[in-house]
Amino acid sequence: ETGVTQSPTHLIKTRGQQVTLRCSSQSGHNTVSWYQQALGQGPQFIFQYYREEENGRGNFPPRFSGLQFPNYSSELNVNALELDDSALYLCASSLNSPRLNEKLFFGSGTQLSVL
Amino acid sequence: AQKVTQAQTEISVVEKEDVTLDCVYETRDTTYYLFWYKQPPSGELVFLIRRNSFDEQNEISGRYSWNFQKSTSSFNFTITASQVVDSAVYFCALTDSGTYKYIFGTGTRLKVLA
Repeated sequence: ETGVTQSPTHLIKTRGQQVTLRCSSQSGHNTVSWYQQALGQGPQFIFQYYREEENGRGNFPPRFSGLQFPNYSSELNVNALELDDSALYLCASSLNSPRLNEKLFFGSGTQLSVL
Repeated sequence: AQKVTQAQTEISVVEKEDVTLDCVYETRDTTYYLFWYKQPPSGELVFLIRRNSFDEQNEISGRYSWNFQKSTSSFNFTITASQVVDSAVYFCALTDSGTYKYIFGTGTRLKVLA
């Protein structure tokens, strides 16, 4: 049990729609990261937030955006969904600044299917 | 560019066999961190170990052991006397010094047969 919860667990959308995925981190965890995991692949870094500010971004287009809230929750928004966005989206949190390279606590993910 | 390679896509062993999962990494950083995570069918990645680049001591934790060799840029993971509950996908990862993001390998699916 990592203490990181994600909702919903599964989601089906059609191409062009918008989606919001949610994550609740462990209390006190100041850093949250989002990863995309395509079938049979390792997780790919989308972006990271530290104390509610974006602190790094991977090679994802601007239609992927996020927010981190003071209550240790966060969300990932994806606009104009494409078929290739179908994947497992993982939220991960850590206690301190990303500079400490601490271990991450992962949620079980949201499985997004785009039809 | 940083990269993690896990050449073994899938390994099947019979219970009680020992198994080693390979991880080779590339980085230009002198300070870096390496990790192993386990992903059971439930989906969440579970932390197993963190190692920094200055600590080349091998580590043993129960049936798990890790062999870190900077000379070959490898960080291999051995499970001794494997059990069915060890069946999962295992990921090796490296942190990027600039963005602190994790760079994951493609994972090794381990199947332990009873």
